[in-house]
Amino acid sequence: NAGVTQTPKFQVLKTGQSMTLQCAQDMNHEYMSWYRQDPGMGLRLIHYSVGAGITDQGEVPNGYNVSRSTTEDFPLRLLSAAPSQTSVYFCASRPRQATNEKLFFGSGTQLSVL
Amino acid sequence: TQLLEQSPQFLSIQEGENLTVYCNSSSVFSSLQWYRQEPGEGPVLLVTVVTGGEVKKLKRLTFQFGDARKDSSLHITAAQPGDTGLYLCAGDRYGGATNKLIFGTGTLLAVQP
Repeated sequence: NAGVTQTPKFQVLKTGQSMTLQCAQDMNHEYMSWYRQDPGMGLRLIHYSVGAGITDQGEVPNGYNVSRSTTEDFPLRLLSAAPSQTSVYFCASRPRQATNEKLFFGSGTQLSVL
Repeated sequence: TQLLEQSPQFLSIQEGENLTVYCNSSSVFSSLQWYRQEPGEGPVLLVTVVTGGEVKKLKRLTFQFGDARKDSSLHITAAQPGDTGLYLCAGDRYGGATNKLIFGTGTLLAVQP
């Protein structure tokens, strides 16, 4: 089983460039989310979705856009990359909205913005 | 402001030693999870605790949720090199109403053979 698949694994951008981080899950999960992980700060929620066509903001949404056109895919867009967005990004999903259910994580995308 | 503080931040021990990692907050959580993350991978769920005072065991790992549901601990008995990784606690403050799981700052554990 593939689970949660993220691409690319590594990416280097210049300030002002745009890009999309891809996330796909094959478990028919309703809930999908994006986190960023920075040293000493744990994981912080960027955006999340409770189903196709429904998205909402997390703790640190500024500078990021998301959409959910299908159950399987939840891409994260950086419209104009900034050095402060250098981080490791994780996509995660779970079967339903219940927050105490198990989150399934992808293997991450390491992004550097120069 | 970090709602969930973990201590210690770093821990390096020898194989066979025991250790305890703490996850503390001034807020009440309806449930709390512990994850382990290995280098280059995403976190993997170890356990979920939902009742104040609850104790769960997973082989050599013992998890406890505080009576007031504001803190939790992870105790590892006879640590092994395979226990090496980043341990993260994560809490749900509002019983699922906000869909937002709050993660702690993490404890990086290195077990030397």
